[in-house]
Amino acid sequence: SQQGEEDPQALSIQEGENATMNCSYKTSINNLQWYRQNSGRGLVHLILIRSNEREKHSGRLRVTLDTSKKSSSLLITASRAADTASYFCATGSGNTPLVFGKGTRLSVIA
Amino acid sequence: DADVTQTPRNRITKTGKRIMLECSQTKGHDRMYWYRQDPGLGLRLIYYSFDVKDINKGEISDGYSVSRQAQAKFSLSLESAIPNQTALYFCATSDSILPGPQHFGDGTRLSIL
Repeated sequence: SQQGEEDPQALSIQEGENATMNCSYKTSINNLQWYRQNSGRGLVHLILIRSNEREKHSGRLRVTLDTSKKSSSLLITASRAADTASYFCATGSGNTPLVFGKGTRLSVIA
Repeated sequence: DADVTQTPRNRITKTGKRIMLECSQTKGHDRMYWYRQDPGLGLRLIYYSFDVKDINKGEISDGYSVSRQAQAKFSLSLESAIPNQTALYFCATSDSILPGPQHFGDGTRLSIL
């Protein structure tokens, strides 16, 4: 069964705006990861945040993690048309494979 | 060259046929995974292998089998394909640092008529 649930399912914004996606999960985790999938391609790892971290940055990406609420958010600042993709969160726990959510489809309109 | 290579990229076949999807990797990772992706359902884990002698069922293993021929090779078989196995299939790898990032191939689009 899927652990992470992304919200919203779909998001459409103008180029230059910020995009925020949220992920909620149910059980304790070691880390939470975000991936991007361009249409018809494999997933690409974006960023990993450990359970003892609250915020992490990578370029235009900012990820937060609130373990008390079992939730994470991914912020993409100054979005570009090339950011159009599906974004997935995945939770890692112990010695078990990652569990992926159903994803958020982001459309950035030029 | 891609780090994780899946073959074939596309396959159309008929109900009842045996199909093998192959995955090879040059990343030197011990752990390999097979997922299927259906619209609106995200990725679901079929099988995974933490090393050459280890095979584990995932969430949806019924109707599938796997073989880990070497550290670098992990194949997925559909013994008797059925139409509801039409999906996009992904192979992924990760190293043994738990639970680390996964590296995906570009997928096999499988259609079963």
